[in-house]
Amino acid sequence: DTGVSQDPRHKITKRGQNVTFRCDPISEHNRLYWYRQTLGQGPEFLTYFQNEAQLEKSRLLSDRFSAERPKGSFSTLEIQRTEQGDSAMYLCASSLEGTGDEAFFGQGTRLTVV
Amino acid sequence: GQQLNQSPQSMFIQEGEDVSMNCTSSSIFNTWLWYKQEPGEGPVLLIALYKAGELTSNGRLTAQFGITRKDSFLNISASIPSDVGIYFCAGQDSGTYKYIFGTGTRLKVLA
Repeated sequence: DTGVSQDPRHKITKRGQNVTFRCDPISEHNRLYWYRQTLGQGPEFLTYFQNEAQLEKSRLLSDRFSAERPKGSFSTLEIQRTEQGDSAMYLCASSLEGTGDEAFFGQGTRLTVV
Repeated sequence: GQQLNQSPQSMFIQEGEDVSMNCTSSSIFNTWLWYKQEPGEGPVLLIALYKAGELTSNGRLTAQFGITRKDSFLNISASIPSDVGIYFCAGQDSGTYKYIFGTGTRLKVLA
């Protein structure tokens, strides 16, 4: 399977704990995006990488959130000291810079903070 | 976060009917994408549009990139039960390359 892969699919955590999600993009794609989606809403942009450089961060990404893409391949999104309001679907997408640049999404990680 | 205006918010239609939905923005985009999302899954890309005025089809789906570059339309012809889901538009910011999504159109098809 050469699509975008996210791990885990589901995560339940207690408030105050740290969580980390992983995203493996389509292999030749150099752009990687993280989005958050809550029930009944469209995906909201969190951050974006071009190769290993993090080029933009949304104001939604508080100091408790950090994302990395160390070698321009897979990416991790960490949430520290989780709050109930962090409960959402976290989506990762990748695209190839240039003609087209269509973004393809993974299946998402569903986070529930209890 | 910023979201595009998408309408209608939801639709209940009979199998076999045609469906139209649209997406509007206050900003100009260079690329429009249309996605379908089913419960618990990530959005699946349906159609991509790259030029103002462009009309593109994918099976029973047809999408258009508005002339003003601030809107896009999606039509589904002869709907079938498996068309059920939430349809999202997304416009690509020409400066930052991030995609901004619409609020979604929830489609239900009655057999």
